[in-house]
Amino acid sequence: SQKIEQNSEALNIQEGKTATLTCNYTNYSPAYLQWYRQDPGRGPVFLLLIRENEKEKRKERLKVTFDTTLKQSLFHITASQPADSATYLCALDMGGGSQGNLIFGKGTKLSVKP
Amino acid sequence: DGGITQSPKYLFRKEGQNVTLSCEQNLNHDAMYWYRQDPGQGLRLIYYSQIVNDFQKGDIAEGYSVSREKKESFPLTVTSAQKNPTAFYLCASSKRSGTEQFFGPGTRLTVL
Repeated sequence: SQKIEQNSEALNIQEGKTATLTCNYTNYSPAYLQWYRQDPGRGPVFLLLIRENEKEKRKERLKVTFDTTLKQSLFHITASQPADSATYLCALDMGGGSQGNLIFGKGTKLSVKP
Repeated sequence: DGGITQSPKYLFRKEGQNVTLSCEQNLNHDAMYWYRQDPGQGLRLIYYSQIVNDFQKGDIAEGYSVSREKKESFPLTVTSAQKNPTAFYLCASSKRSGTEQFFGPGTRLTVL
């Protein structure tokens, strides 16, 4: 079965630096991959979706890459701010007959220090 | 103001009691989902529904039941058969399967 790993439980960086979060999967390449932000005690909020035929996608200070050879997605936040502190979840489609359902990683908790 | 709502935010129940968690959306989405989140764990899919009057089991459906009688509503019942029901429950919806999911604020259920 598909396994998804976000390689850091926690990431601490200084304000203004670029945060880079990693998402790895083990088996088949998903048709698409999504990134969400979750604040404590709240539901996740969708950020970006990237499809298997896309190498990179951007939205304001966010950038996502998708490398099907490495079976990896990288999520970048440039010029990071303390308000970016949250847990970031990677999710990918389960494939096959899953009807578009997602499997979520455990998340990486990002802390941006002023 | 479109969105997805869950109620209540906090719920306490005694062991052995069934409890129903509410989920309503006014986004006109076809697909709806229920997830469970435990500390340090990813979201795990309990049930999902792609259309009214139809739903399928997710990875951890045992001890749970759902209904989808209206497009807007997808209530989840946590039955006494669920061995470890204390968790944070999240409801989500999407326009259709394979598109981004919109999540509710969650219900934190504590079974005493």
